[in-house]
Amino acid sequence: DTEVTQTPKHLVMGMTNKKSLKCEQHMGHRAMYWYKQKAKKPPELMFVYSYEKLSINESVPSRFSPECPNSSLLNLHLHALQPEDSALYLCASGYRATNEKLFFGSGTQLSVL
Amino acid sequence: GDSVTQMEGPVTLSEEAFLTINCTYTATGYPSLFWYVQYPGEGLQLLLKATKADDKGSNKGFEATYRKETTSFHLEKGSVQVSDSAVYFCALLLSNAGGTSYGKLTFGQGTILTVHP
Repeated sequence: DTEVTQTPKHLVMGMTNKKSLKCEQHMGHRAMYWYKQKAKKPPELMFVYSYEKLSINESVPSRFSPECPNSSLLNLHLHALQPEDSALYLCASGYRATNEKLFFGSGTQLSVL
Repeated sequence: GDSVTQMEGPVTLSEEAFLTINCTYTATGYPSLFWYVQYPGEGLQLLLKATKADDKGSNKGFEATYRKETTSFHLEKGSVQVSDSAVYFCALLLSNAGGTSYGKLTFGQGTILTVHP
């Protein structure tokens, strides 16, 4: 299994909703990442987890809350989002945070109304 | 700071044409360089990489050579196909002398490639 699986593929939510994005990999990777990608722009790093511990937070607003419950799963909890948070949210994983090859999921396309 | 600059697109070619997408970078430390491809509605896939100067990465007919003297990593393909239509991102990953990188990729702005039959 060489895939990073993200669910849901599409999500529409209101500004008062609470929702979660999920990411799963079974490649034995110990580094996992959340990226945000706006249309026609490159991905921007949000969070890095290394061995289930948060190692990088790129000054992301607290309405985004990451969680890594085990080495295979990564969640992104969303609360009180703004319309400008609408974007494609990509999960990625790698063997270690020091390893250069990242495997990306297909992303969750999020729309905030 | 560290940055990657790609040629502006979009690039439109006919099938079997030669492709070049320029990429230059500025970085301190010891960067590894990558090309990622993103097909419509999908995430990013690693296309090729080079981890040190003069390395050549290649995959699926695409090639790029890590040129430290010109701080460049241009992507080339001799004969493009319609299926190559996608967005191409050049990216760098900095490491210290011990190889620690923390996995933070810096991406260029992306180049949209459209290939017509």
